[in-house]
Amino acid sequence: GAVVSQHPSRVICKSGTSVKIECRSLDFQATTMFWYRQFPKQSLMLMATSNEGSKATYEQGVEKDKFLINHASLTLSTLTVTSAHPEDSSFYICSASITGLAYNEQFFGPGTRLTVL
Amino acid sequence: GDSVTQMEGPVTLSEEAFLTINCTYTATGYPSLFWYVQYPGEGLQLLLKATKADDKGSNKGFEATYRKETTSFHLEKGSVQVSDSAVYFCRAGGTSYGKLTFGQGTILTVHP
Repeated sequence: GAVVSQHPSRVICKSGTSVKIECRSLDFQATTMFWYRQFPKQSLMLMATSNEGSKATYEQGVEKDKFLINHASLTLSTLTVTSAHPEDSSFYICSASITGLAYNEQFFGPGTRLTVL
Repeated sequence: GDSVTQMEGPVTLSEEAFLTINCTYTATGYPSLFWYVQYPGEGLQLLLKATKADDKGSNKGFEATYRKETTSFHLEKGSVQVSDSAVYFCRAGGTSYGKLTFGQGTILTVHP
């Protein structure tokens, strides 16, 4: 099956710094990638949808200047948490879809645990 | 809009017990339905899926049948193991672009 990787798997940073998380589709080209955030013992919250070569579409309530998303190629999307604060600590998960349609299967990365001190 | 309602947990079972985790959905059209499993500290893994009414998805002893008449996709396993302890998410893939809907997740703990 299709494989999606994320890097890093864990990151600890100081408050005020920026952190970049990479999401790669390893054996397929992903026209669309999705970024989710998961709080402890809660479900996934869709943050944004990114299409290769265009601006990401953010969900209501997600600060686009805080969470910068770049989808520069069909195999790579990055999420940058700018000026991170402790409340940004969370589990961030990306997924990739081949056709970009919601009802097609998405392939999920293993997640990145961000801890902001 | 689309929504998914899962049985609230946590669910605690003894090994070899029968498992049912209920999932119902509301959606326009006929969504594809999925169950994902998330082990502690890991991302989501697709467990099984069904793309049309009466389809049965199965994997690793888990099963779920797409019931259009009851808009349900309940997850079942006849005999759970300790290694099945995880969080299970039901998902409906709607027809709106990007609007995937997850249930709230059900924590399953299986004791020896």
